Amino acid sequence: ETGVTQTPRHLVMGMTNKKSLKCEQHLGHNAMYWYKQSAKKPLELMFVYNFKEQTENNSVPSRFSPECPNSSHLFLHLHTLQPEDSALYLCASSQEAGGTDSYEQYFGPGTRLTVT
Amino acid sequence: KQEVTQIPAALSVPEGENLVLNCSFTDSAIYNLQWFRQDPGKGLTSLLLIQSSQREQTSGRLNASLDKSSGRSTLYIAASQPGDSATYLCAPGGGTYKYIFGTGTRLKVLA
Repeated sequence: ETGVTQTPRHLVMGMTNKKSLKCEQHLGHNAMYWYKQSAKKPLELMFVYNFKEQTENNSVPSRFSPECPNSSHLFLHLHTLQPEDSALYLCASSQEAGGTDSYEQYFGPGTRLTVT
Repeated sequence: KQEVTQIPAALSVPEGENLVLNCSFTDSAIYNLQWFRQDPGKGLTSLLLIQSSQREQTSGRLNASLDKSSGRSTLYIAASQPGDSATYLCAPGGGTYKYIFGTGTRLKVLA
């Protein structure tokens, strides 16, 4: 595997279900990100992890719970979602997410989530 | 708050044309700007990253320019091909990771 991978690629869940999205990066990066892409809206940053520490929570509802056990893996735990949470969830990574340097972000293919 | 506008929202051109995609942003205090392409239902592919100290970057048929003071970036695509059909997104970086995305330009290159 190369780059950034995400599983599952598609997920349909009911509002009472609990599910998790997984992201893995094979680039040796230290920062990982979750983004949400809804139809006809710009990509929205949700969470940022730098060296396994969460450095950004962009006012995301608590029904989305991120987990970063190590620099290569990132999870997004989902519970009691709403239909408006249906979207493409994208994971990204970069060398770091701190300091004064800026780093290129690399994205995974996304998980298409449908909440029924 | 950074706001990003991309014009045009959609573009359909015959193969072989040279193209200009525009991106404007309201806050010029950026560290860099990244251009991506996104194929339908897929993730984003990084095309070019321009640091705030640079004026332009080139990769193959792609050339991106950055005018930070006026809050503008332009992506030039030379000799367009059907394989270039995708949505192109620009994202100025206001901090080391705070990329703010535009809604994109949806490009279709006709064979």
